[in-house]
Amino acid sequence: EVQLLESGGDLVQPGGSLRLSCAASGFSFSSSAMSWVRQAPGKGLEWVSTITTGGGSTYYADSVKGRFTISRDNSKNTLYLQMNSLRAEDTAVYYCAKYAFGGSGRWFDPWGQGTLVTVSS
Amino acid sequence: IQLTQSPSSLSASVGDRVTITCRASQGISSYLAWYQQKPGKAPKLLISAASTLQSGVPSRFSGSGSGTDFTLTISSLQPEDFATYYCQQLNSYPITFGQGTRLEIK
Repeated sequence: EVQLLESGGDLVQPGGSLRLSCAASGFSFSSSAMSWVRQAPGKGLEWVSTITTGGGSTYYADSVKGRFTISRDNSKNTLYLQMNSLRAEDTAVYYCAKYAFGGSGRWFDPWGQGTLVTVSS
Repeated sequence: IQLTQSPSSLSASVGDRVTITCRASQGISSYLAWYQQKPGKAPKLLISAASTLQSGVPSRFSGSGSGTDFTLTISSLQPEDFATYYCQQLNSYPITFGQGTRLEIK
């Protein structure tokens, strides 16, 4: 079964740091680009970051650029998101997703169940 | 690239035919996906490449369009279809989502 399992969400003070993890199973993780997407409470979906298969290329939303770092360990089938200088507006459920390509399309599937990050004093 | 979904919310009845529109601020070829999200759950992929129905998704869902104008149609609403729907463009970075369309029971 293809599965993504996020962990690491927590309550953190403004200015603090947190590292999220996403454990993958059931597919070839090392051959898959991966992404993070977040959803603030009661709001829509916001793409955060994408990393290519080998980690050689990374992409970020302007809202997190310079504060967040996406990385991966293909030997552990795990994706990471290091979040520094956290702000109240970073409060959200964070999802990891496989970024798939095929034919004339691109899409995110599957998605993990999400992990909640709350930034508050 | 901005994606504008319309309507933002919609009330409909079981059996109704419903269409949701997604307009891109510039051409995105067919690099558009549609997702369904229910409260407290992760988004679920319905359609990729603007019109390719994912395995296991009921055939009452369909997608069309290319360039800047796209639609998601549900031909006959079922009780389990009441949810929020998002379009997503993957033509270029930053990847963006539409603001969502909340489909409610009338």
